[in-house]
Amino acid sequence: SQQGEEDPQALSIQEGENATMNCSYKTSINNLQWYRQNSGRGLVHLILIRSNEREKHSGRLRVTLDTSKKSSSLLITASRAADTASYFCATDSASGTYKYIFGTGTRLKVLA
Amino acid sequence: DTGVSQDPRHKITKRGQNVTFRCDPISEHNRLYWYRQTLGQGPEFLTYFQNEAQLEKSRLLSDRFSAERPKGSFSTLEIQRTEQGDSAMYLCASSHPGDRELNSPLHFGNGTRLTVT
Repeated sequence: SQQGEEDPQALSIQEGENATMNCSYKTSINNLQWYRQNSGRGLVHLILIRSNEREKHSGRLRVTLDTSKKSSSLLITASRAADTASYFCATDSASGTYKYIFGTGTRLKVLA
Repeated sequence: DTGVSQDPRHKITKRGQNVTFRCDPISEHNRLYWYRQTLGQGPEFLTYFQNEAQLEKSRLLSDRFSAERPKGSFSTLEIQRTEQGDSAMYLCASSHPGDRELNSPLHFGNGTRLTVT
């Protein structure tokens, strides 16, 4: 089962533009993570935000978390063709298990 | 840190055969996870280990699936009597909780792509 749902499912932008993707989840969490996946490869961790944090930055990435709405957003600024990939959010559960449930993903295509 | 290693990268098998995949986590990572991913979908949780103990197993995992981590290091995932619906990418990930046990990123291998004909 998927805990998170990403929106949009697919996004196509021009190089230099910003890309925003959203994630909604269902249960209380301790943290939310964003991952990137290039075609046919494993996932690469991008950023982790804890439930008591509202915003976090890492390079060109900005993540926000709204626990009251059970949602998060990932903003990639000044996108590059190399950012073309699928992006997934993953949440743990505040109930104490250490498994992570992934969303359905946003497929981002950055056109040069 | 040589990363998470999975073997084989690709496996083609006939329906009804058994297959086994191996995952070598990053050394000293005590948590190890197995996920399954089909085309266009996110990774689907199968099971995870803390050291050699299998702490949780998805209800979606039928009795044909079994995973082991005998010495708390590498892990194997076996699928018995494979079906065409088992065709997917099988991903392994490991993590090391460190001081903050609740907050640790997953490090993924590049997966084993299974095709059942």
